[in-house]
Amino acid sequence: DQQVKQNSPSLSVQEGRISILNCDYTNSMFDYFLWYKKYPAEGPTFLISISSIKDKNEDGRFTVFLNKSAKHLSLHIVPSQPGDSAVYFCAARGDDRGGSEKLVFGKGTKLTVNP
Amino acid sequence: GAGVSQSPSNKVTEKGKDVELRCDPISGHTALYWYRQSLGQGLEFLIYFQGNSAPDKSGLPSDRFSAERTGGSVSTLTIQRTQQEDSAVYLCASSLWTSSYNEQFFGPGTRLTVL
Repeated sequence: DQQVKQNSPSLSVQEGRISILNCDYTNSMFDYFLWYKKYPAEGPTFLISISSIKDKNEDGRFTVFLNKSAKHLSLHIVPSQPGDSAVYFCAARGDDRGGSEKLVFGKGTKLTVNP
Repeated sequence: GAGVSQSPSNKVTEKGKDVELRCDPISGHTALYWYRQSLGQGLEFLIYFQGNSAPDKSGLPSDRFSAERTGGSVSTLTIQRTQQEDSAVYLCASSLWTSSYNEQFFGPGTRLTVL
């Protein structure tokens, strides 16, 4: 049973436009959410995170929104650049026991930004 | 300083053989994690070491999988009697341990292929 779901396996946008990547989760015990970016043949790199007590976190071109009542978060990239083309993973921390540092990942969304 | 390193980068083995995968975390990082990514899937948590505490082994898929962390630094993931379904990219991550969220830094992974 997937606790973190990224229902769009791929997304294609034009350079300069907004990219919106979505993520849904089922476990209300998750207390921290993260987005990781992954290029081929490299490990994931941390992009941005948000605590469950907030609804928005912004870092330059990247903004993450959290809607706890809907158990939904999204990553907005504005403006999108060709170098943003990568696989983006949504991840959540915490499980039923609480206090765990392990992350639960979605399957990823492959973003392609076309010049 | 250097990031997380993993060796080998690629490993091809025959079904039934044992394999060892190595992870060198970032110097000074007290927490170490193993994940794996099977084709078309997200990252799946395997095991987590934090300092001298007992490891969280809740993600190990079977008793053929084991991991050690010697001297609080290097870790080895061992898979005995490998099966074709073990084929995946095995990722190691490390982090500092503080009272707040600890960003996990990932290595490039080891691609394991079981023939």
